Amino acid sequence: GAGVSQSPSNKVTEKGKDVELRCDPISGHTALYWYRQSLGQGLEFLIYFQGNSAPDKSGLPSDRFSAERTGGSVSTLTIQRTQQEDSAVYLCASSPPSYNEQFFGPGTRLTVL
Amino acid sequence: AQSVTQLDSQVPVFEEAPVELRCNYSSSVSVYLFWYVQYPNQGLQLLLKYLSGSTLVESINGFEAEFNKSQTSFHLRKPSVHISDTAEYFCAVIHSGGYQKVTFGTGTKLQVIP
Repeated sequence: GAGVSQSPSNKVTEKGKDVELRCDPISGHTALYWYRQSLGQGLEFLIYFQGNSAPDKSGLPSDRFSAERTGGSVSTLTIQRTQQEDSAVYLCASSPPSYNEQFFGPGTRLTVL
Repeated sequence: AQSVTQLDSQVPVFEEAPVELRCNYSSSVSVYLFWYVQYPNQGLQLLLKYLSGSTLVESINGFEAEFNKSQTSFHLRKPSVHISDTAEYFCAVIHSGGYQKVTFGTGTKLQVIP
């Protein structure tokens, strides 16, 4: 079946602009996660959704970052007033109710000029 | 809280040589353990996982990892590496009792030298 998909695959934007990153999880997966992978860094947890609610937002680096999930499916990560340090690959993952494995999307590479 | 340590950021190894990528974790509760692989310009893929049962788990491409509770380790090994194994490998841990966010190590870049 279809895996986790993310769009766009690449996004180049100017400093100060807003961007929206989209994640389509695997059908039936109740949990959805956003991570950020910066050059030379590991995976940085951003936010977790269970259904449409986000019980863990502890990883969002600033109030410029927000995310929502609708219909227990698609999620959008929004970064307002982008800064150069926001440049990274943003990864989305979903997992079934058992939680014991995460399935990752291919990521969105964000470049802020 | 749980944490994962991958001490080696890069591991160069000659083709057909054995390799071990180290992973140690700390947690006050039972955990599930994972190794993910990220090939160049691709997303993360699950390589293998330990949930319960036999402490030795294997992947389809010849990697294996052994859960050692006393040493809190989950090292990844392969007896003979191939060029195609060049990738970054991430160790991860999750609390086995329900939701906790997955904690990833910082990754180990395996470079296989022809």
